[in-house]
Amino acid sequence: AQKVTQTQTSISVMEKTTVTMDCVYETQDSSYFLFWYKQTASGEIVFLIRQDSYKKENATVGHYSLNFQKPKSSIGLIITATQIEDSAVYFCAMRQGTGSKLSFGKGAKLTVSP
Amino acid sequence: EAAVTQSPRNKVAVTGGKVTLSCNQTNNHNNMYWYRQDTGHGLRLIHYSYGAGSTEKGDIPDGYKASRPSQENFSLILELATPSQTSVYFCASGDTQGANERLFFGHGTKLSVL
Repeated sequence: AQKVTQTQTSISVMEKTTVTMDCVYETQDSSYFLFWYKQTASGEIVFLIRQDSYKKENATVGHYSLNFQKPKSSIGLIITATQIEDSAVYFCAMRQGTGSKLSFGKGAKLTVSP
Repeated sequence: EAAVTQSPRNKVAVTGGKVTLSCNQTNNHNNMYWYRQDTGHGLRLIHYSYGAGSTEKGDIPDGYKASRPSQENFSLILELATPSQTSVYFCASGDTQGANERLFFGHGTKLSVL
């Protein structure tokens, strides 16, 4: 069985600072894929960034990067130089290597203040 | 950009009635998914599909059926709707192959069961 856990429910930061959002996962597969998605205030859900379990390098896209700690089954999302527009709910998700099932965590609400 | 369209956007149903939520995608993705979103639970997977004719149970399938009559369409069916199924439902599509693996979400359907 696969499971994704986000323990943070709400985070508040000041604009232009760096924030880390936590996520831990459980899987029996040796191969798996980890994702972060963002849900804006309008309800739109969009893909942000992805990490493949076999890659040692942390993924980076724009001002989003990942802190992949495989021994700890942890995939943190790091947002640097936060902007007001980064205020949203962030979801961590995982797909095991076999199959298409994609499960999400409960999400964490990020509020960026000026 | 991938397009996923859900209908209806809002639905009010009566307890015991039948409800069908529809989803259409225009990017020839093999995989389609139905999630529900509730406060405190994040996105929970109800059913998903690998392709036309296939449906698979997700994490919370009880009380729901799914139908994938074609590559483009994936329906979620509530045969006997209950108030506990009041929620926001999201459909998504995507492929699990390649560097561009990601889900594209519809805008959601708000269902109220009275």
